[in-house]
Amino acid sequence: DSGVTQTPKHLITATGQRVTLRCSPRSGDLSVYWYQQSLDQGLQFLIQYYNGEERAKGNILERFSAQQFPDLHSELNLSSLELGDSALYFCASSGTEGSYSGANVLTFGAGSRLTVL
Amino acid sequence: GQQLNQSPQSMFIQEGEDVSMNCTSSSIFNTWLWYKQEPGEGPVLLIALYKAGELTSNGRLTAQFGITRKDSFLNISASIPSDVGIYFCAGRPSGTYKYIFGTGTRLKVLA
Repeated sequence: DSGVTQTPKHLITATGQRVTLRCSPRSGDLSVYWYQQSLDQGLQFLIQYYNGEERAKGNILERFSAQQFPDLHSELNLSSLELGDSALYFCASSGTEGSYSGANVLTFGAGSRLTVL
Repeated sequence: GQQLNQSPQSMFIQEGEDVSMNCTSSSIFNTWLWYKQEPGEGPVLLIALYKAGELTSNGRLTAQFGITRKDSFLNISASIPSDVGIYFCAGRPSGTYKYIFGTGTRLKVLA
């Protein structure tokens, strides 16, 4: 158990629908990252939050949005779903942003597998 | 999207052989991380590197942060069947907060 909790583990939905993926970071970690991994592909960076504020944005579609709440958990909202959105969505957390130490490594959750039919 | 160049894409090796993989970037990175991912699971951190030239070991694994800060390699010595998985490098471009991941190296070990 990495300490990063993601729910749900599996989700099957139809095109055009909206889903919310949830992530609870490791205890004490302030930063949350979201990544998308399509079948047999690498990890595409979507977005990062630090202590409730958006810090960095990657190739996140306008149909997707995220936020980090005061209790530091984060949610990734995916709307108007398309077949191509089927993927594993990973959340990772880290302790701090700028320090050159073990606190800034990413610890990953087990992922949420989204299937869009 | 932006990704690191990681090679090789896949490797089939005999048990006991040594393995080497690397990542290169056009940007300077201030942190390099190496992860292993097994089917249906999230990536697990193997080694973290923070300084140019740094060489770090974790058991049979050794990784180095390139002097130019644009590359890193991972070596696995005396491979065993449980080394099977996908290995990813990840780097943090200087001046940013995000981590970019390599495309992965799929390793298969034949007993």
